[in-house]
Amino acid sequence: NAGVTQTPKFRVLKTGQSMTLLCAQDMNHEYMYWYRQDPGMGLRLIHYSVGEGTTAKGEVPDGYNVSRLKKQNFLLGLESAAPSQTSVYFCASSYARTGPTSPEQYFGPGTRLTVT
Amino acid sequence: AQKVTQAQTEISVVEKEDVTLDCVYETRDTTYYLFWYKQPPSGELVFLIRRNSFDEQNEISGRYSWNFQKSTSSFNFTITASQVVDSAVYFCALSEAVWGGSEKLVFGKGTKLTVNP
Repeated sequence: NAGVTQTPKFRVLKTGQSMTLLCAQDMNHEYMYWYRQDPGMGLRLIHYSVGEGTTAKGEVPDGYNVSRLKKQNFLLGLESAAPSQTSVYFCASSYARTGPTSPEQYFGPGTRLTVT
Repeated sequence: AQKVTQAQTEISVVEKEDVTLDCVYETRDTTYYLFWYKQPPSGELVFLIRRNSFDEQNEISGRYSWNFQKSTSSFNFTITASQVVDSAVYFCALSEAVWGGSEKLVFGKGTKLTVNP
């Protein structure tokens, strides 16, 4: 059981280049999330998905796109990278809420992205 | 809007000291959940605890304890007899239920704890 995995672990991009970050989970979770973590800022939600084929914007969605074509995968795309997108990106997943309890999120190891 | 404040940016203690990490939250919801996550130097966030808004009982798990007080909108985390392995960044988070039932987490900025031998 690998949990949540992220590919790649590190990446350096030049301004204007594009790339896709891949998140995969093997826990059959309904919900998936993409966050970015910047020094002194905590984690901020970029986009999330409540199921296959559905996505929604989070707190800081500008400059990013996402897709959830398969339940186990959640892709984060940068169409034209900017230095402001230099960050550590975390993917997370959780069960859907089936009762009164809010489910905890399981996080991947992160992707460190540098845009020069 | 929901907000989580962790006023302590960094804390440094000596091993075996007790340490409390503060978390203050703001929400208009009557039903909400609070979480603590640990981020060790390896980078991956690890879930520690969840507390719902209608359960104000304190919780103890080994050397960890949590004090939830609705009257002061606080959810503080205490480590007793700290150890070097407790060194990490600790995040407090608030759950905001949104469309589709997803659980959007609003995170505080984190408190970096360093436990020195």
